[in-house]
Amino acid sequence: QVQVKESGPGLAEPSQTLSLTCTVSGGSISTAGYYWSWIRQPAGKGLEWIGRVYTSGSTNYNPSLRSRVTVSLDTSRNQFSLKLNSVTATDTAVYYCARARYYYDSTGPADVAFDIWGLGTMVTVSS
Amino acid sequence: SSELTQDPAVSVALGQTVTITCQGDSLRHFSAAWYQQKPGQAPVLVNYGKNNRPSGIPDRFSGSNSGNTASLTITGAQAEDEADYYCESRDTSANHLFGGGTKLTVL
Repeated sequence: QVQVKESGPGLAEPSQTLSLTCTVSGGSISTAGYYWSWIRQPAGKGLEWIGRVYTSGSTNYNPSLRSRVTVSLDTSRNQFSLKLNSVTATDTAVYYCARARYYYDSTGPADVAFDIWGLGTMVTVSS
Repeated sequence: SSELTQDPAVSVALGQTVTITCQGDSLRHFSAAWYQQKPGQAPVLVNYGKNNRPSGIPDRFSGSNSGNTASLTITGAQAEDEADYYCESRDTSANHLFGGGTKLTVL
């Protein structure tokens, strides 16, 4: 059973870089048919997709965060990571890592959904 | 538009049927997935695509799509179904989008 778990500092200073790691256990991060994402949720608010990394290492980001975000893959450690630069108080949130799974029909990939989520880690931006 | 719109709150009497809706232009091109989130917990996938349920999700959860609207129906709502529900899909660049969430109260 694949599991994912977030780790990293719970506090980041304004204007600095927030760094988190997601460790995948119970399976290889390089398995075809999946990709890996970061999602965040400010207290009392909804979910916001941050970005994803494919098993090839290629990435895509939420346009609203693109200039500040880097998501990368470390296959040797079975981990992927998030770096968010120039943070402010508005970046305070619970950060989740999640696996996106392709669901196939007879013609190929038909759907994608986040089937496995970490428990989340709270990051507060404050001096 | 690259937004998904949900009603902020919905209520249902115990044992009755409730439908939670999600609207957005992206739903004309990509199907929706639905997530249940209880307080202090991570979201859980409950339905995706053309009404598919992950293993372990009760069959009272069903999904449908029509035009720019996706729906999650709970038939015979239980007390444990009280939670926030989020729809999710993708925009034309295949970036993921989440709806604002619907708080379901079971009376």
